[in-house]
Amino acid sequence: NAGVTQTPKFRVLKTGQSMTLLCAQDMNHEYMYWYRQDPGMGLRLIHYSVGEGTTAKGEVPDGYNVSRLKKQNFLLGLESAAPSQTSVYFCASSYFYSTEAFFGQGTRLTVV
Amino acid sequence: KQEVTQIPAALSVPEGENLVLNCSFTDSAIYNLQWFRQDPGKGLTSLLLIQSSQREQTSGRLNASLDKSSGRSTLYIAASQPGDSATYLCAVQQETSGSRLTFGEGTQLTVNP
Repeated sequence: NAGVTQTPKFRVLKTGQSMTLLCAQDMNHEYMYWYRQDPGMGLRLIHYSVGEGTTAKGEVPDGYNVSRLKKQNFLLGLESAAPSQTSVYFCASSYFYSTEAFFGQGTRLTVV
Repeated sequence: KQEVTQIPAALSVPEGENLVLNCSFTDSAIYNLQWFRQDPGKGLTSLLLIQSSQREQTSGRLNASLDKSSGRSTLYIAASQPGDSATYLCAVQQETSGSRLTFGEGTQLTVNP
């Protein structure tokens, strides 16, 4: 039972480069979320989705885009990476908005 | 804006001790409160979920309580073990703002053998 899987686990980008982080869940969850975790700032919501084909902005959406073309996948894109986007990114999913959230193992991204 | 505070930020205890971690939140309009564990360099593992209508939840040596009206939750760990060493995060799921989880910054727990 894989749960929530994030790809890749580590990445180093140069300023201005682009990349896509992939989140896949095999629990048939409707809701999916992208968070970033920074020292002293805790976890902050970037974008989220309440079902296939839907996306919405969270607390810190600037510089990121997302897509949810398939129910099981939620992609987070950085079009032009900046050093301020150096962080650990976590994907999470839940069956419904009030049910238990499950997290992936994280992607450690460094932008130089 | 919802704010979640966890006290203490760090805690060091000898093995076998019972301990309490505290979490407070400013907006009581929540669906639930969830406690997570995070090991260094790892993801978050869900420990306990308390719905807003519940007062407490138990799992093994863990017991979490919720007082929604006062904006407080506690996580009680009985007979602590070195393997309990980790950062413990609480998060509240709000009725508004897209049902997002708002996290505290965590309590870093060290259990010494």
